Amino acid sequence: NAGVTQTPKFRVLKTGQSMTLLCAQDMNHEYMYWYRQDPGMGLRLIHYSVGEGTTAKGEVPDGYNVSRLKKQNFLLGLESAAPSQTSVYFCASRQGQGNEQYFGPGTRLTVT
Amino acid sequence: GENVEQHPSTLSVQEGDSAVIKCTYSDSASNYFPWYKQELGKRPQLIIDIRSNVGEKKDQRIAVTLNKTAKHFSLHITETQPEDSAVYFCAAIPSGGGADGLTFGKGTHLIIQP
Repeated sequence: NAGVTQTPKFRVLKTGQSMTLLCAQDMNHEYMYWYRQDPGMGLRLIHYSVGEGTTAKGEVPDGYNVSRLKKQNFLLGLESAAPSQTSVYFCASRQGQGNEQYFGPGTRLTVT
Repeated sequence: GENVEQHPSTLSVQEGDSAVIKCTYSDSASNYFPWYKQELGKRPQLIIDIRSNVGEKKDQRIAVTLNKTAKHFSLHITETQPEDSAVYFCAAIPSGGGADGLTFGKGTHLIIQP
């Protein structure tokens, strides 16, 4: 099992550009999450999904959109990137009845 | 929503000594409290967790205690070793569980002095 994987690992964007981050998990988990991590701020929840075709807002959803067209994939989109979105983005997943969240390796995004 | 406070932000201890990191939470319905260890440039890794029906849990040199009345929980690391140096995060699942994501504390940078 690969667990949780994220694509890409690094990316540099210019202000106003768009991009999509891909999260994939092979553990048949129902729930998937996107977090961002900034220095001194810990991890903060952006959006999450409780199953294929469903999404919900987390603590810091503004400027991001998500989609869960397939159970194993959870996409995070930035339509018009801003320097404030420079961060490390982590995806996570967990089983519906369990509590432990499994994290992906992260994507380091820089917006100039 | 849930709010998790974590202290201290930096903790320096001598190798072999014990380290204690403390967290408080605001949502009395929270029932799951994990601790994650994150090394530089890596993903957070779960090291221990505790549920609200348990007061203490231990795994070798690591233990977590929970005081539901006071709404605080703590991580205890004994006989610290150089490989314990990392950033540690506490977290809670708000609203009594369900599908909610984790609410994290801001982290503690643990430094083990040789």
